[in-house]
Amino acid sequence: LAKTTQPISMDSYEGQEVNITCSHNNIATNDYITWYQQFPSQGPRFIIQGYKTKVTNEVASLFIPADRKSSTLSLPRVSLSDTAVYYCLVGQGSNDYKLSFGAGTTVTVRA
Amino acid sequence: DAGVIQSPRHEVTEMGQEVTLRCKPISGHDYLFWYRQTMMRGLELLIYFNNNVPIDDSGMPEDRFSAKMPNASFSTLKIQPSEPRDSAVYFCASSHYGREGPDTQYFGPGTRLTVL
Repeated sequence: LAKTTQPISMDSYEGQEVNITCSHNNIATNDYITWYQQFPSQGPRFIIQGYKTKVTNEVASLFIPADRKSSTLSLPRVSLSDTAVYYCLVGQGSNDYKLSFGAGTTVTVRA
Repeated sequence: DAGVIQSPRHEVTEMGQEVTLRCKPISGHDYLFWYRQTMMRGLELLIYFNNNVPIDDSGMPEDRFSAKMPNASFSTLKIQPSEPRDSAVYFCASSHYGREGPDTQYFGPGTRLTVL
C-alpha cells in the first residue's frame, strides 16, 4: 500500500503559483496519481490525474519525475477561491485498489 | 446527471439507535465507495463495491457497521447501535474504471452524523 506524505499547510497570495509536493516512495508500476480538492462542508472534487511526466488541464498541472516517487501539483495564479484542502491519492492495482488518501494539504490564499 | 446523491444530509440521533445512510451513485458507474471523515483521522475508506459486490470492507471499524448495495443505483451504510464516536461526515463516491482512470471518484455532499 503506497503511503503518501504531503505538507500539512501552505500559505500563498492571490496571483501566485502554488506547488504542492506529495511523496509516494513505494508506488507500484500500474498506479496512478490523482489529486482532489475539498472545500468546507463539501465532498472532495477531482482535479487532475497522471501516470508519468506532465499532465495539464484548465485547472492545474501535475509533474511526475521519472522515478515516480513523488509528484507535484501546480496551481497557477491562485485566487481566494482556491483556499481548500488538497489530497494526493495513489491508486493501487487495476481492479482491486487499496486507496491511500494523504492527510491533505490546507492551502490558504490571502489577498 | 445530478451527481452522487446522499440522504439525509444531516442526522442527529441518540446513542444506541440505528442509523441508515443512503447513497445513489451516478448512473453507469460500477464502483461505489463509502468514506468517513473526522478531524482526528481524516478521510478513511470504509468499504467499496464493484458491480454491487463488496470488494474490500477492511476499513469498516467494527461489526456495528454494515453496508449493502442491492442494485446498481442504491447503497446503504447502517450503524447499529450507534455510539458518540461514530459522529463524523460520511461520504459516498462512485466511479467508472477506464473512462478517466481508476481513481476518478465523484463524491456526494456527505451526511453529517451526530450521535449524542
